[in-house]
Amino acid sequence: DSGVTQTPKHLITATGQRVTLRCSPRSGDLSVYWYQQSLDQGLQFLIQYYNGEERAKGNILERFSAQQFPDLHSELNLSSLELGDSALYFCASSVGGRGYNEQFFGPGTRLTVL
Amino acid sequence: GQQVMQIPQYQHVQEGEDFTTYCNSSTTLSNIQWYKQRPGGHPVFLIQLVKSGEVKKQKRLTFQFGEAKKNSSLHITATQTTDVGTYFCQDSNDYKLSFGAGTTVTVRA
Repeated sequence: DSGVTQTPKHLITATGQRVTLRCSPRSGDLSVYWYQQSLDQGLQFLIQYYNGEERAKGNILERFSAQQFPDLHSELNLSSLELGDSALYFCASSVGGRGYNEQFFGPGTRLTVL
Repeated sequence: GQQVMQIPQYQHVQEGEDFTTYCNSSTTLSNIQWYKQRPGGHPVFLIQLVKSGEVKKQKRLTFQFGEAKKNSSLHITATQTTDVGTYFCQDSNDYKLSFGAGTTVTVRA
């Protein structure tokens, strides 16, 4: 158990819908990272927040957005969902704000878009 | 943007044998992290390499950062069934994080 929690574990929805994924980092960690893992794309970095502020941005679509709240939990919002958005979404956390800090991954949320 | 290439994509190993997976880039890598993801699991941090030519060992695992910081390798000796999984390298600095596609390892007993 990494100490990072993600909810829900599974999510099934339809194209065009909007969903919110939630992540709680390890106690004491200030950074949260979001990743998308699909079979054909591997692990894709989406976005990082550090202490409430956006720190780094990866291949995040405009239909996706994220935020980190004062209690440091984070939410990833996915809208106008397409079939290709079906994937495993991981959240990770680290103590510091630098991308090379050791990251602790949560168990992931498996999103299925039908 | 910079791409981190990992080879091979798949590695089928006889139990007890050694193997190596490589992480390559056409441009200079910043810092390399290696992660392992077991089937059905999440990535778990293994090691970080920062300096040119750095070598670190963890029991049967040896991690190396190239002298020119354009490649890194993970060598596993005497492979065991517990080594099954996908090994990822990640290049990262303050504002960029790039994962390689991973090497998926299966072990024949």
